[in-house]
Amino acid sequence: RKEVEQDPGPFNVPEGATVAFNCTYSNSASQSFFWYRQDCRKEPKLLMSVYSSGNEDGRFTAQLNRASQYISLLIRDSKLSDSATYLCVVNPRSGGSYIPTFGRGTSLIVHP
Amino acid sequence: SQTIHQWPATLVQPVGSPLSLECTVEGTSNPNLYWYRQAAGRGLQLLFYSVGIGQISSEVPQNLSASRPQDRQFILSSKKLLLSDSGFYLCAWSGSGNTGELFFGEGSRLTVL
Repeated sequence: RKEVEQDPGPFNVPEGATVAFNCTYSNSASQSFFWYRQDCRKEPKLLMSVYSSGNEDGRFTAQLNRASQYISLLIRDSKLSDSATYLCVVNPRSGGSYIPTFGRGTSLIVHP
Repeated sequence: SQTIHQWPATLVQPVGSPLSLECTVEGTSNPNLYWYRQAAGRGLQLLFYSVGIGQISSEVPQNLSASRPQDRQFILSSKKLLLSDSGFYLCAWSGSGNTGELFFGEGSRLTVL
């Protein structure tokens, strides 16, 4: 089983749609979780952190389910500019340092 | 504010040639530093990470090596490139005391012919 698994997609949705991505992880000792956004041929950029209590930033909501070992990202009212690849990141600790482990990413295409 | 610089941005190298990619971080001290590779259509693969000067941990055995000669400098090297080394190389840093949030350089796109 891969450490971090994501459905690669692509998710093809119209503007205004709500779309949700899930990510599962295998290391139960993982301590922090993030979603990153990567545009084509660019570096990943932090989208948001993920907490057990859930967190919301505008149209984006992220949640963590430690019992089931998955995290989710919900995007409401999709915009054309949301088209990108969304990377799930899980951070187990190793010797006092975090070793960020990335999923392969989920591709989102928002069309008019 | 903290910044990270990575170069060169693009390079085309023949098989068997050497490689050197450089990354520097400004505005912070004692960062954790990382080298990732992203092959076409693939996820990010962690190659090396460093928690301090001269301290390098390798995640994947291969013909690449890394060095950290200064606190905020991280170098990725190869003596002889393989075709399979082609990809998008990303340097990243995180604060030594934070929760693992990463900040990436703009990446180096390597094509080995």
